[in-house]
This record gives sequence, C-alpha cells and structure tokens, in this order.
Amino acid sequence: AQSVTQLDSQVPVFEEAPVELRCNYSSSVSVYLFWYVQYPNQGLQLLLKYLSGSTLVKGINGFEAEFNKSQTSFHLRKPSVHISDTAEYFCAVTGTGANNLFFGTGTRLTVIP
Amino acid sequence: DTGVSQNPRHKITKRGQNVTFRCDPISEHNRLYWYRQTLGQGPEFLTYFQNEAQLEKSRLLSDRFSAERPKGSFSTLEIQRTEQGDSAMYLCASRILPGLAGGEQFFGPGTRLTVL
Repeated sequence: AQSVTQLDSQVPVFEEAPVELRCNYSSSVSVYLFWYVQYPNQGLQLLLKYLSGSTLVKGINGFEAEFNKSQTSFHLRKPSVHISDTAEYFCAVTGTGANNLFFGTGTRLTVIP
Repeated sequence: DTGVSQNPRHKITKRGQNVTFRCDPISEHNRLYWYRQTLGQGPEFLTYFQNEAQLEKSRLLSDRFSAERPKGSFSTLEIQRTEQGDSAMYLCASRILPGLAGGEQFFGPGTRLTVL
C-alpha cells in the first residue's frame, strides 16, 4: 500500500513571497504522484502530476514540483504567491498498478496581504 | 457545464435516517470513484466502478453503505441508519480508461453530510 505525509498542516506566507509545501510518500512499488488544490466549498482540482521522465514538473497557476526518489519526496513550490492561492493543498500517490489515490492530510496555505 | 456534478450539495439528517447521494460523472468517463473527506483530513477512498461493475471496496465501506451504478452512467451512494460519525464530505470523481497511465481523476464539488 501507499501513504503520504504532509509535514505542515498550515503555512502562512506573505503575498509575492515564495512558498514550498512539503510532501513525503511511502510505497513498495513505483508510484505516480499528484498535487490537488481545494478551494472552499469546492471539489479538488489537479495542479500537476508526476508519471515518469523529468523529475521537475510544471503545473497550473505557476506551481511546480520536484520528484526525488531517494528522499521519497514531491515538494510543491511557487516562486511568488498571490492572494488567490489561499486554499487547501493535497498531495496524493497511487501505485502504478493501483486504481485509487491515497491522499495526505492537506496543507492550508494562507497568503497574507 | 461538463464537469462532475453531485447532488445534493448539503444534507442534514437525524441519526438513524437513511440518505442517498447522487453523482453524475463526466460523459463517457467509464471509471467512477467515491471518497470520504472528514474535517482536517484528506479524502479517503471508499469504492470505485468500472462501467456498472463495482470492482473494489475499502474497509471503510461498512455494511450500512451501498453504492450502485446501474447503467454505467450516474452513481448513487446510500447510507442506512446514519451515525454521527458519518458526518463528512462525500466526493465523487471520474476518469476515462484506457487513457494515460496515472490519468487524472476529475472531482465533483462534493456532498456535505451532517448527522445530528
């Protein structure tokens, strides 16, 4: 089975500052990794995903993440955040032969004006 | 709007009552998932369908829960004899197979259940 640990439950950051949201995973098999964002009272929207190939993946809204197999990490970064980035962010993993996603507990990003 | 839709968006019920939620996936998506999200937690997998066949159920899906997808299109999730611990957001997602490996699951807005 797979599991995900999101080390920070809340991350406050000032507008236009950089941010990193941390994600570590555990799996005995090869994995696919995802970051989703959830705005209040809405469903989850995919930000980016790692399937294979380049370890640096770029997503929507200026976000990017780097897959590090040796450290079993998939941290999410953005060089300059906006007020509109305030939301809950979830890291998720699935085994390459599996069917469902395993989510972390989420990180609440709050952008301070 | 061609996204995943869920109804109702909110449901308040008394303990012991039965409730039913509906999910309409994106047209032609043949795989449909149900997840449960409690406060402060990430979504947890409940079950999924490939067309009308229910292929996997989580141990979280107790005997009081039943899900159907009778014609391989919309799906319903029923909870019988609700308990306060069932209070959560119930999320539906869909994807199309075959497709890219690890393909994206598209999520609906969820149904928030409150059991009094």
